[in-house]
Amino acid sequence: GAVVSQHPSWVICKSGTSVKIECRSLDFQATTMFWYRQFPKQSLMLMATSNEGSKATYEQGVEKDKFLINHASLTLSTLTVTSAHPEDSSFYICSARVPQVANEQFFGPGTRLTVL
Amino acid sequence: GENVEQHPSTLSVQEGDSAVIKCTYSDSASNYFPWYKQELGKGPQLIIDIRSNVGEKKDQRIAVTLNKTAKHFSLHITETQPEDSAVYFCAASISSSASKIIFGSGTRLSIRP
Repeated sequence: GAVVSQHPSWVICKSGTSVKIECRSLDFQATTMFWYRQFPKQSLMLMATSNEGSKATYEQGVEKDKFLINHASLTLSTLTVTSAHPEDSSFYICSARVPQVANEQFFGPGTRLTVL
Repeated sequence: GENVEQHPSTLSVQEGDSAVIKCTYSDSASNYFPWYKQELGKGPQLIIDIRSNVGEKKDQRIAVTLNKTAKHFSLHITETQPEDSAVYFCAASISSSASKIIFGSGTRLSIRP
């Protein structure tokens, strides 16, 4: 099956710094990718929809200037958490829409972000 | 927008017994209902899905049922094994909304040996 990778798998940073997380579709082209955030013992909450070659669509309550999304190619989307604070510590998961299969998505393994 | 509710939040069953997790959704336009298994520290894995033109689907020990009229769908795991212990999420999606997947709150399933 299709594989989606994320890098890094975990990252620790100081408060006020920016962190970039990469999401790659390894064996298929993904025109649409999604970014989710998951706090401990909670569900996945959709943050934004990333479309190749255009601006991302953010869910209500998600600050677009804080969570910068770039989908510059058909296999790569990046999420940059700018000026990170401890409350941004979370598990960030991306997914890629499966080509030609309505609705279906493949999920990445997630990135654990800890902001000190 | 779509809202998915999931019950129970925790479930403990004896190994070999069956486990049932139930979900409801709010938007009648939803037409895709996936179920995911998430192990600690990992991303969710699709275990089975069902589309709105089907009432039931089975894959070995896992089955899913869908009642569109009542907006209910359920996951059934038979002959449970220790490796079934994980968090399970139901979800719903509408084709017209860029295929956004809305997740339920999750069920932590524990299999007692």
